[in-house]
Amino acid sequence: DAGVIQSPRHEVTEMGQEVTLRCKPISGHDYLFWYRQTMMRGLELLIYFNNNVPIDDSGMPEDRFSAKMPNASFSTLKIQPSEPRDSAVYFCASSASGGVSGELFFGEGSRLTVL
Amino acid sequence: QKEVEQNSGPLSVPEGAIASLNCTYSDRGSQSFFWYRQYSGKSPELIMFIYSNGDKEDGRFTAQLNKASQYVSLLIRDSQPSDSATYLCAESGGGADGLTFGKGTHLIIQP
Repeated sequence: DAGVIQSPRHEVTEMGQEVTLRCKPISGHDYLFWYRQTMMRGLELLIYFNNNVPIDDSGMPEDRFSAKMPNASFSTLKIQPSEPRDSAVYFCASSASGGVSGELFFGEGSRLTVL
Repeated sequence: QKEVEQNSGPLSVPEGAIASLNCTYSDRGSQSFFWYRQYSGKSPELIMFIYSNGDKEDGRFTAQLNKASQYVSLLIRDSQPSDSATYLCAESGGGADGLTFGKGTHLIIQP
């Protein structure tokens, strides 16, 4: 089975531009999580969905960030406008409610650089 | 705000020795604890989880949990150079509501 698929793997953009990151979770998983990883702050939970519904977005840093999950097989994280401090690796992860609680399966990540 | 604390390292261990990684957590309500391994430039992958006080062994890995002290550890026996990675400790309140991660300990196994 395919794992969690993220795109793009790398994105370099200029400050003020819109960035859209994409994620396809593992088929059958009903939870989807967006994390951000930096050296300074480690892995931070931004938002998570259950059955396509956003459950907790308290980790979203500010209104410039938004996330959607229009169906069970696709989610996006959008940053508009982007700023240099948004530079990080963004991970999408999915899990199954019937599985081991907390066992997250991560995608390869999207490395974002904002100049 | 839940916190998970780890020593960032690097922790350098000779090949064949036991590597000991430690983690403390702030929330007494935390139920489940996880160790993820992350190679440089790669995504985290689960290697162990533990729910109950005491030890849990899986091959060369042993996870230890002491809820009274809010302390979790991971022991790696017969360390191999391929064990060199960053090890992330994480906790969950018990539901599938996402994990709180520590910043990780960078482990180096010296051949």
